[in-house]
Amino acid sequence: AQSVTQLDSQVPVFEEAPVELRCNYSSSVSVYLFWYVQYPNQGLQLLLKYLSGSTLVESINGFEAEFNKSQTSFHLRKPSVHISDTAEYFCAVSGRYSTLTFGKGTMLLVSP
Amino acid sequence: DTGVSQDPRHKITKRGQNVTFRCDPISEHNRLYWYRQTLGQGPEFLTYFQNEAQLEKSRLLSDRFSAERPKGSFSTLEIQRTEQGDSAMYLCASSKGLAGSYEQYFGPGTRLTVT
Repeated sequence: AQSVTQLDSQVPVFEEAPVELRCNYSSSVSVYLFWYVQYPNQGLQLLLKYLSGSTLVESINGFEAEFNKSQTSFHLRKPSVHISDTAEYFCAVSGRYSTLTFGKGTMLLVSP
Repeated sequence: DTGVSQDPRHKITKRGQNVTFRCDPISEHNRLYWYRQTLGQGPEFLTYFQNEAQLEKSRLLSDRFSAERPKGSFSTLEIQRTEQGDSAMYLCASSKGLAGSYEQYFGPGTRLTVT
């Protein structure tokens, strides 16, 4: 069985500050990890994924996440956030038939 | 690639009524998933189709829920005798199902309100 824990329900930050959104997982099968983003009134969009290979994965808009097997973590980071990054972020782990188990989500609130 | 579409976007129904939602996946995707998302929670898996075969069902999917994917194209999710606890966003996602291609593409969802 898989599970995902996102420790923070809300993370408020100021624009241009760094941010880390935490994600811990447990999985009994091969680990494929994902971060999805949900902007206000929009659907879920894939932000980045870890399937294999390099443990550091990056997205096109400056986010990165590092797979840490020993700590069973896949934390999401961005060195400098923008107002437009305000959204809910979901960490997910893939299971049987690639079904996704999601965390409860972290609301990133960026203020000027 | 027009993305995953869902219809309707919103549905308000009275307790005890039946409702049906439709999902049209991306055309070349043979895998289709249904999830449910309630307020303050992440999406929860309901059921999975590979082509027209329903291969996995969550224990969340009670007997009042049924899903189909005739001919392996669009899918429908029906809820019979709706209850207030069924109020949620119902999400559909699809993927190619090829080795190394595990991304799921989500539709905008159908928001169900049971009064």
